[in-house]
Amino acid sequence: KAGVTQTPRYLIKTRGQQVTLSCSPISGHRSVSWYQQTPGQGLQFLFEYFSETQRNKGNFPGRFSGRQFSNSRSEMNVSTLELGDSALYLCASSVIGRAPEAFFGQGTRLTVV
Amino acid sequence: DQQVKQNSPSLSVQEGRISILNCDYTNSMFDYFLWYKKYPAEGPTFLISISSIKDKNEDGRFTVFLNKSAKHLSLHIVPSQPGDSAVYFCALQTSYDKVIFGPGTSLSVIP
Repeated sequence: KAGVTQTPRYLIKTRGQQVTLSCSPISGHRSVSWYQQTPGQGLQFLFEYFSETQRNKGNFPGRFSGRQFSNSRSEMNVSTLELGDSALYLCASSVIGRAPEAFFGQGTRLTVV
Repeated sequence: DQQVKQNSPSLSVQEGRISILNCDYTNSMFDYFLWYKKYPAEGPTFLISISSIKDKNEDGRFTVFLNKSAKHLSLHIVPSQPGDSAVYFCALQTSYDKVIFGPGTSLSVIP
């Protein structure tokens, strides 16, 4: 069974640009969550999608947005990039209503210069 | 506001001894309590969980303890092995499936 796949693995963007990250969950998983990891901050929850609907949202500015498609694949978009957006962005998928654990992808390392 | 705290940013333990990682939280709304392990350049991997109705769950070398009155969660690893060296995150999940992670504790197991 394939794991969670995130693309691209690495990305370098300049300030002011926008970026789209992609996440393909494990087959059969309908919930996809996104996290930002920065040194010393742990994993900060961005948002969670289930059946194409955003169910939960963290405390991030509106520049951070996401969506989920009918096949459960998800994308997150960051507009008007700032230097502080440099981080590892992690996607996790899970099966709602069963075991609570989530399965993470390897992440996308975004560097804003 | 920091709802979840892991007050030890790092921990060093001798191989074969017990590793104890701690997690404290401020809110009683959580249904599940989980531990994840993370190696550099990889996503976190699930280790063990406990529901709010239990106080202990064991899986091999890993045991999670939950003290709801103290709002305290701990992970015991016995015996510790060098391959256990990683960053450990506690994660707390509400009934609405919202998950809050702690800041992590970096464990080093010394051979």
